[in-house]
Amino acid sequence: KNQVEQSPQSLIILEGKNCTLQCNYTVSPFSNLRWYKQDTGRGPVSLTIMTFSENTKSNGRYTATLDADTKQSSLHITASQLSDSASYICVVSAGREYGNKLVFGAGTILRVKS
Amino acid sequence: DGGITQSPKYLFRKEGQNVTLSCEQNLNHDAMYWYRQDPGQGLRLIYYSQIVNDFQKGDIAEGYSVSREKKESFPLTVTSAQKNPTAFYLCASSRTSGSLNEQFFGPGTRLTVL
Repeated sequence: KNQVEQSPQSLIILEGKNCTLQCNYTVSPFSNLRWYKQDTGRGPVSLTIMTFSENTKSNGRYTATLDADTKQSSLHITASQLSDSASYICVVSAGREYGNKLVFGAGTILRVKS
Repeated sequence: DGGITQSPKYLFRKEGQNVTLSCEQNLNHDAMYWYRQDPGQGLRLIYYSQIVNDFQKGDIAEGYSVSREKKESFPLTVTSAQKNPTAFYLCASSRTSGSLNEQFFGPGTRLTVL
């Protein structure tokens, strides 16, 4: 069964600290993996996309990694800010032969405290 | 401004009523999607449309209906047959349905059944 599991479910950190969110998936075949940021009561916004051949991709203070062999991805947030408080969702896309189906994780809720 | 709009932001429905959620995009995207988001769960696909006048059922289409008469519009009707309609509904669009094309999300509609 195609699944995306994220950990932890929720996380509280102090402003300025770093944190790492985890994503494990069983989706096969694999096309690409995205991390989305969703502010409370809003729609998700894409942060990064990674294909099979990419190991690391950065977007400002956000750095995503992908290990396609172990089917794991992480999102590292550096020097956190209050505005980073949101839900972070890992989304894996299956291949074209499966209609490019997207499988969404349940998200990690991050709260940054001052 | 280019983007996706959803209306209303909040919607209250009595049991047994049908309600229609609006989704409009001015991004000239061919593909549009409707998702349902429940607490602690990943987004689930209700319906999607790859082109005008065509749409396909997603994973949880029962109790929902859609139409795609115009490229920019993809309304979702929640019928009385939907047993548990209280949820956050997200509309998205992408240039095409290809897996590398980012899905852009609207701000969402929160539906509550009274």
